Amino acid sequence: DAMVIQNPRYQVTQFGKPVTLSCSQTLNHNVMYWYQQKSSQAPKLLFHYYDKDFNNEADTPDNFQSRRPNTSFCFLDIRSPGLGDAAMYLCATSRIDRDTDTQYFGPGTRLTVL
Amino acid sequence: GDSVTQMEGPVTLSEEAFLTINCTYTATGYPSLFWYVQYPGEGLQLLLKATKADDKGSNKGFEATYRKETTSFHLEKGSVQVSDSAVYFCALYTSPGANSKLTFGKGITLSVRP
Repeated sequence: DAMVIQNPRYQVTQFGKPVTLSCSQTLNHNVMYWYQQKSSQAPKLLFHYYDKDFNNEADTPDNFQSRRPNTSFCFLDIRSPGLGDAAMYLCATSRIDRDTDTQYFGPGTRLTVL
Repeated sequence: GDSVTQMEGPVTLSEEAFLTINCTYTATGYPSLFWYVQYPGEGLQLLLKATKADDKGSNKGFEATYRKETTSFHLEKGSVQVSDSAVYFCALYTSPGANSKLTFGKGITLSVRP
């Protein structure tokens, strides 16, 4: 089945130690999104890629970076995780040129910062 | 700017009870409207959507009708099950294109007792 896959599902890192979260998709969608979701809150968009074009939200901290080496993969890099970065990180995809308004989410990666 | 308002939660119901979760929105243009569901420890799943006024989205016994006159998209189910226990997010999407994004409500937790 076509899907959005996130690895790992659970990630533990230490304060200040860089961490990378991975997202892959078999939907051949041209847009990929990264959201941060803290406990009992709605997802908050960090940034997205439209093809190779990177679009950063104005309030996304510089500590968060992203890479999209090809259509299928997108990575979220947290350069120096703080305790406040502990959250669920959700990847989503959509296809702009048809069914333009539906985003499909992965299962998420829960990040713990010690 | 665009916004989504959901009723305050949590909501606790007995199995087979009728469910209504209220959602109202403010948006420029003509948004598409969505309900997403998030089961414990999981990512978001699209439950249903409607793309224009008077459209009714439906899935798994849940329904919601796009009411432009009242700017609402209330979620209903005639008979809830224990397996419906989850967090429900109402969301909207305007201006499909490279820089478009979902606007979420705060979410509401539904607990269904046997």
